[in-house]
Amino acid sequence: DTEVTQTPKHLVMGMTNKKSLKCEQHMGHRAMYWYKQKAKKPPELMFVYSYEKLSINESVPSRFSPECPNSSLLNLHLHALQPEDSALYLCASSQSRVIRLGQYFGPGTRLTVL
Amino acid sequence: AQSVTQLGSHVSVSEGALVLLRCNYSSSVPPYLFWYVQYPNQGLQLLLKYTTGATLVKGINGFEAEFKKSETSFHLTKPSAHMSDAAEYFCAVSSNTGNQFYFGTGTSLTVIP
Repeated sequence: DTEVTQTPKHLVMGMTNKKSLKCEQHMGHRAMYWYKQKAKKPPELMFVYSYEKLSINESVPSRFSPECPNSSLLNLHLHALQPEDSALYLCASSQSRVIRLGQYFGPGTRLTVL
Repeated sequence: AQSVTQLGSHVSVSEGALVLLRCNYSSSVPPYLFWYVQYPNQGLQLLLKYTTGATLVKGINGFEAEFKKSETSFHLTKPSAHMSDAAEYFCAVSSNTGNQFYFGTGTSLTVIP
């Protein structure tokens, strides 16, 4: 099973809302990632978890807060977002931080901030 | 740091024609190389990958890519384009220490009936 699932598929939120994005993989992968993607652009790395510990935070604003409850789950908590945060948010996983075999991506959450 | 260059942000081909999407990387040490496809409003799907061994790599949906160390290239080809191939294609490179992953800027493929 090479599937990464993400919920919700679509999310519309106001600038004062708090919401969470969820990601799950059952491939036994030990590295998980959050990416932000704008239209017609490559994904931009936000966070990397390796063995459930945050290993990379690419200078992401604190209104984005990641969480890795266990090796299969990854959450992204959202608070006080700005309209420019509207984008496709992608979760990915890989066997380990040494990405020899590629990353596997979920279908994404389309986020709209009003 | 690595960089990945995809020549041609937009490529159009006729249905049944050869598809050629170009990717060059900058590294004196061969990295791990990947091609991803993204259909509208979907995530990225791994098409194929090169790690070691045979330099001609076959992937899903009839695509293949050839790693050419002397040219630092990893171009993606498909002998005969199908309408369903219309999508965004990203080349990606992982450093051979593996902990850095770089995407190219993407190539949008249009298939003309």
